[in-house]
Amino acid sequence: DTEVTQTPKHLVMGMTNKKSLKCEQHMGHRAMYWYKQKAKKPPELMFVYSYEKLSINESVPSRFSPECPNSSLLNLHLHALQPEDSALYLCASSPGQGEYEQYFGPGTRLTVT
Amino acid sequence: AQKVTQAQTEISVVEKEDVTLDCVYETRDTTYYLFWYKQPPSGELVFLIRRNSFDEQNEISGRYSWNFQKSTSSFNFTITASQVVDSAVYFCALSEAWSSASKIIFGSGTRLSIRP
Repeated sequence: DTEVTQTPKHLVMGMTNKKSLKCEQHMGHRAMYWYKQKAKKPPELMFVYSYEKLSINESVPSRFSPECPNSSLLNLHLHALQPEDSALYLCASSPGQGEYEQYFGPGTRLTVT
Repeated sequence: AQKVTQAQTEISVVEKEDVTLDCVYETRDTTYYLFWYKQPPSGELVFLIRRNSFDEQNEISGRYSWNFQKSTSSFNFTITASQVVDSAVYFCALSEAWSSASKIIFGSGTRLSIRP
């Protein structure tokens, strides 16, 4: 099973709302990632978790707050977003330890109004 | 610094034609990993292949083949007898890796359209 699931598929939120994106994998992978992808652009790395610890934060604004409650789950908490934060948010996981390909979920398409 | 260049922004071919997507990379690392991903209109990135820097063997998987040449820092992808379902954006990517995770740098992508 090489599946990464993400919920919700679509999200519309106002600039004053608080919402969360959820990502789940049951492949036993030890690294998980959040990416942001704008239209006609490649994905941009936001955060990397390795063994449930935050390893990389690519200078992401604090209105995005990641959380890794356990090795299978990754959340992205959203607060006070701006319209320019509208994008496709992709979660990925990788096995680690010599196998570095990342497996992506279907993404959450976020619209900030 | 690491960089991936996909010079072909868009390619359009007629079904059953062969098509090659070019990828050139830059890295100072001696150990690195190269990938190709497919992103159909649905949006999900699909992993196609990983190639390690110390393994220059070319690979074929059905209609797909990959040509890795360290001498020219290229990792090209060929689709033989293309089909409409191959229409997607294809990303070439480069990874620096550490013990338990990887940081992938994506190229800008090539949008491939296969016309019936």
